[in-house]
Amino acid sequence: ENVLTQSPGTLSLSPGERATLSCRASQSVVSNYLAWYQERPGQGPRLLIYGASRRATGIPDRFSGSGSGTDFTLTISRLEPEDFAVYYCQQFGGSPPITFGGGTRVEIK
Amino acid sequence: QVQLQESGPGLVQPSETLSLTCSVSGGSISRYHWSWIRQPPGKGLEWIGYIFYTGSTNYKPSLKSRVSISVDKSTNQFSLNLGSVTAADTAVYYCARLSENNYSFKDWGQGTLVTVSS
Repeated sequence: ENVLTQSPGTLSLSPGERATLSCRASQSVVSNYLAWYQERPGQGPRLLIYGASRRATGIPDRFSGSGSGTDFTLTISRLEPEDFAVYYCQQFGGSPPITFGGGTRVEIK
Repeated sequence: QVQLQESGPGLVQPSETLSLTCSVSGGSISRYHWSWIRQPPGKGLEWIGYIFYTGSTNYKPSLKSRVSISVDKSTNQFSLNLGSVTAADTAVYYCARLSENNYSFKDWGQGTLVTVSS
């Protein structure tokens, strides 16, 4: 199983600050099939990034993804009030083919 | 972009079978891959399984003996059956479309809470 470890567990920041979230895989992610999701309270997940670095339709450009192999990063360049949420990474490949990370909570400092 | 809506009982008795349906609109169910994901209260996302448009399925190993996913083309719906449920299966259950190009989940249902309790 390709275990995804997200860090930190909680990130305390102020609006306007930069957020850097990490997702580390226990095995290399096939073809960079790595995605990031945002989950706001009371809402279902929303796709932000796919293919490690491609923004999904309608996602603001303050969100960016990078990385390859086993180390991936989601960066939010300047936090807006609506960005305080929980973020998950997800990979495809191996057995089982789909796994999620444990999540990073971005909270207001 | 397709729209998805889960439906099914909100309460299931222990040892019974949890059955949910996902209704798909805005696209033919035959064209895409489909998946079920769940989230226990206060916890993270857990992938349950998927069904490709070819009919091929794959399930999380720890659930494989109890789970099945199927498609009904006549109603443009797909379904989840999870047998022998316990309190540990209490969760919000989401249906989602799995992209055939990059294997991310672009479209999600709103989720439905299923509680396992007597």
